[in-house]
Amino acid sequence: KNQVEQSPQSLIILEGKNCTLQCNYTVSPFSNLRWYKQDTGRGPVSLTIMTFSENTKSNGRYTATLDADTKQSSLHITASQLSDSASYICVVNGNNRLAFGKGNQVVVIP
Amino acid sequence: GAVVSQHPSWVICKSGTSVKIECRSLDFQATTMFWYRQFPKQSLMLMATSNEGSKATYEQGVEKDKFLINHASLTLSTLTVTSAHPEDSSFYICSAREGLPSYNEQFFGPGTRLTVL
Repeated sequence: KNQVEQSPQSLIILEGKNCTLQCNYTVSPFSNLRWYKQDTGRGPVSLTIMTFSENTKSNGRYTATLDADTKQSSLHITASQLSDSASYICVVNGNNRLAFGKGNQVVVIP
Repeated sequence: GAVVSQHPSWVICKSGTSVKIECRSLDFQATTMFWYRQFPKQSLMLMATSNEGSKATYEQGVEKDKFLINHASLTLSTLTVTSAHPEDSSFYICSAREGLPSYNEQFFGPGTRLTVL
């Protein structure tokens, strides 16, 4: 069973709308959690990184939350743009090994 | 900063040939580089970890004689897929890390799309 589960697997949203992506993990011990954006045919690009003590972190229109007690994280995209169409990958660092989720595939339509 | 490049970005080859993929850290010294493989709609799967000047450590199930990794300098690692077959067709991504693993910040390359005919 994958140690990092993301939902929904895919979603379609209208340009300008908001959306929230979920990440649940079982990785232990926990060091930090990152959200990456991966455009089709490209490598992942880091959006946010959160350590155990951080609950919220923003990067422009991206806001990540972390609940280390329930082992859940979310990524909220505000006022989506067409360029936000991509796969968003949740990556958890535990014991110096990275565990990758399969990604949330987001498609923004005009 | 922290830019990682890969070359080529895509390659098509005949079955049985070997293909070499380069991964370079452009503005930092990468003491450790990682090679991943990604199939469509799947997670990145770690293939091997390499430290400069030493042999790579391969993940379980990855054939070291088929996927040759060389990390000859602090800015360059190469992955050679030997005697490639169609099932080796995939998206190969490298990442590089500078310094100690405690923070484990890895910077990813843009990936190489390999298609074996």
